[in-house]
Amino acid sequence: GAVVSQHPSWVICKSGTSVKIECRSLDFQATTMFWYRQFPKQSLMLMATSNEGSKATYEQGVEKDKFLINHASLTLSTLTVTSAHPEDSSFYICSATKSTDTQYFGPGTRLTVL
Amino acid sequence: AQSVTQLGSHVSVSEGALVLLRCNYSSSVPPYLFWYVQYPNQGLQLLLKYTSAATLVKGINGFEAEFKKSETSFHLTKPSAHMSDAAEYFCAVSENTGNQFYFGTGTSLTVIP
Repeated sequence: GAVVSQHPSWVICKSGTSVKIECRSLDFQATTMFWYRQFPKQSLMLMATSNEGSKATYEQGVEKDKFLINHASLTLSTLTVTSAHPEDSSFYICSATKSTDTQYFGPGTRLTVL
Repeated sequence: AQSVTQLGSHVSVSEGALVLLRCNYSSSVPPYLFWYVQYPNQGLQLLLKYTSAATLVKGINGFEAEFKKSETSFHLTKPSAHMSDAAEYFCAVSENTGNQFYFGTGTSLTVIP
């Protein structure tokens, strides 16, 4: 086990709208969940780290009011991109840990903002 | 602070040839090291990990990597490339607490038939 799912897998939205992306650990309780952003042909950039029941820790340069993270349970974290703009278009990937050493990644969500 | 350097953003090998993807790390504490594979439009799949046990680590799909502390390296190898190995490969390092991951820039592997 150690399966992480994301929903939706692909979303297209109009500029100015908000989009919510869900990340679920399907067969384990995740102590910590992470949100990454990946631009084409580039590596993953860590956006934030979230622990269940507490506020997320954002990396430098990531706007916490723009990228709202909620970690309501040990199996679910959500990322809401508020007032999305075309420059927010990207591949968003979450990961979850069930122990202290390995992150298990979701399949990613491709966001396209028109 | 930790960081990872992957030498060669693109590697091409013939089908059946040896695959060697390079990863060097820097870490102020004993590191945990990981190799992940990413297929187009998909998330990352764990290939193998080093967590201070055996220095030669065997992973899935015939891949293995050797931790060499003296060289601060964790190169990924596979004796015989298969067409299905074509993908993006990422090396990552974390502290021994394992939470914060630092990824390399990735190596795109092309397998030539």
